[in-house]
Amino acid sequence: AQSVTQLGSHVSVSEGALVLLRCNYSSSVPPYLFWYVQYPNQGLQLLLKYTTGATLVKGINGFEAEFKKSETSFHLTKPSAHMSDAAEYFCAVSDGDSSYKLIFGSGTRLLVRP
Amino acid sequence: DTAVSQTPKYLVTQMGNDKSIKCEQNLGHDTMYWYKQDSKKFLKIMFSYNNKELIINETVPNRFSPKSPDKAHLNLHINSLELGDSAVYFCASSQGAGNTEAFFGQGTRLTVV
Repeated sequence: AQSVTQLGSHVSVSEGALVLLRCNYSSSVPPYLFWYVQYPNQGLQLLLKYTTGATLVKGINGFEAEFKKSETSFHLTKPSAHMSDAAEYFCAVSDGDSSYKLIFGSGTRLLVRP
Repeated sequence: DTAVSQTPKYLVTQMGNDKSIKCEQNLGHDTMYWYKQDSKKFLKIMFSYNNKELIINETVPNRFSPKSPDKAHLNLHINSLELGDSAVYFCASSQGAGNTEAFFGQGTRLTVV
């Protein structure tokens, strides 16, 4: 069965520092991978996704993620954190073209210190 | 114009009551979903519908009954509410499945007292 592990339920960084949010997945087939962001009392918004092709994926708000098949990872990064990046971040996996569900990780709360 | 809209946003009700949550999407998508987010923020699929047909029912108690009158709407009716049903329920939609982005509504926070 598919699963997603996000290491660290809380990550705290200073404004301007590198953001690194970790995601590992297990999948028996090449997966489709997603990062979503959730601001307080709001729904989820897609940051970026990997389907096929280039393994380094750029998303909105300066975020990017790299698909590493050998490590079964899809970590999210941003070179310089901004206060507005404080939110909950979810990694998710879909296991193929006929999959009608996303399997989510448990989420990582990003805190940005002034 | 909201892409995926849910009503109500907040719902407080007593145990044993029956309640409904409505969802509408104006994106022209053919697939709609209900997800449940528990108090620890964990998100789990409940139901998936494609072209009004139920595709996934993820071992949800039969007190939960989704209904899709057309491709733009997916409502969720819950009978005999229990304390454990308290959660945030998200509706979402996508065009197809697999590698396509799901668009989420703002959520409905259900509190059962």
